[in-house]
Amino acid sequence: ETGVTQSPTHLIKTRGQQVTLRCSSQSGHNTVSWYQQALGQGPQFIFQYYREEENGRGNFPPRFSGLQFPNYSSELNVNALELDDSALYLCASSAWYIAGGAYNEQFFGPGTRLTVL
Amino acid sequence: QKEVEQDPGPLSVPEGAIVSLNCTYSNSAFQYFMWYRQYSRKGPELLMYTYSSGNKEDGRFTAQVDKSSKYISLFIRDSQPSDSATYLCAMTFATGNQFYFGTGTSLTVIP
Repeated sequence: ETGVTQSPTHLIKTRGQQVTLRCSSQSGHNTVSWYQQALGQGPQFIFQYYREEENGRGNFPPRFSGLQFPNYSSELNVNALELDDSALYLCASSAWYIAGGAYNEQFFGPGTRLTVL
Repeated sequence: QKEVEQDPGPLSVPEGAIVSLNCTYSNSAFQYFMWYRQYSRKGPELLMYTYSSGNKEDGRFTAQVDKSSKYISLFIRDSQPSDSATYLCAMTFATGNQFYFGTGTSLTVIP
């Protein structure tokens, strides 16, 4: 069983450019969440995808968008990059279980470190 | 006011000490409470999760949730140098579709 993988590991972009980050979820998982983690901060929830539909969104502008594919892998797209977008972007996958309540243990990938110059 | 508050530390303890890590939160609708450990330049890894109030123990780790006080804790017994990391609390609603993390507490266990 493979874990969550992310690509690329590191990325350098300039302000105003667009970027696409990729995530492969763990085998058997149908839900992917994306987070932004600035240096010295906790992860900030961007959005979640469940079975190819956006299932929840944090306080991020529309220039942050995503996709989930039929194999449950996912992309995070960020348009019009700003300096403050420099951060570690984390992807987490999980599987929904319904048994008297939702259980949604997340497994994180190693992240993509984005630097915007 | 942030949804989740966590003292960033840093916290430094001698090997073998008991470590107490805490978070407070403001939204009474949170139902699932989690603790993650994050090593430098790595993604967080789940240590423990708790549903609603109560205690949960796993080896040297104990998680406590007090929903009446909106306060959660993680205790680490017999701390080891390998426990040196950043510890993040996190919580979510019953729907599990939006997660809130604390800022993380940096812990160093000195041999």
